[in-house]
Amino acid sequence: DVKVTQSSRYLVKRTGEKVFLECVQDMDHENMFWYRQDPGLGLRLIYFSYDVKMKEKGDIPEGYSVSREKKERFSLILESASTNQTSMYLCASGFVGSENIQYFGAGTRLSVL
Amino acid sequence: AQKVTQAQTEISVVEKEDVTLDCVYETRDTTYYLFWYKQPPSGELVFLIRRNSFDEQNEISGRYSWNFQKSTSSFNFTITASQVVDSAVYFCALSGANTGNQFYFGTGTSLTVIP
Repeated sequence: DVKVTQSSRYLVKRTGEKVFLECVQDMDHENMFWYRQDPGLGLRLIYFSYDVKMKEKGDIPEGYSVSREKKERFSLILESASTNQTSMYLCASGFVGSENIQYFGAGTRLSVL
Repeated sequence: AQKVTQAQTEISVVEKEDVTLDCVYETRDTTYYLFWYKQPPSGELVFLIRRNSFDEQNEISGRYSWNFQKSTSSFNFTITASQVVDSAVYFCALSGANTGNQFYFGTGTSLTVIP
């Protein structure tokens, strides 16, 4: 079974804090993704990575950065958390090419106070 | 532009009823993939099905079935004889061959099955 593990299920942070969300996958997938999920808006792509040290902006990258130093790990960084970043964050991974299925972690519910 | 529309925000059915979740998509790609995911209360999105644009055959898996119609740009999902465990948010998604494996998700349909 594919396993995508997000380090925290729930996080509470203060405005202005630097926040790290970690994601690890065990299937040697090239692609990894970070989404945020908000009611009525579905899933929106923040950043994705198709290889180590490579990253691409998604639809809503403002206020976020990412790091991929190892193939299995993809980190989302909120440089200075704000209340409008309170959301559910979902990490996914998948192979490049014809299989093209994304596998998701359980999500991190972040509250910024 | 790639877009997925799930017009049904919330649906409630009584157990054992059949229910259809609608998904309409827009794409200019000739090769693309359509997906359904289930998100139970635990939060993790679970992959249900992938269909590519060249395969319009309907698919059945147990109580689940999918109807793909390119003529109407729809990929609808039917649950037959619904059960309480089917209660979840269901997402339809689209990926184009030219979008680098990027997915475009609909806003989801929240299904509640009442015992």
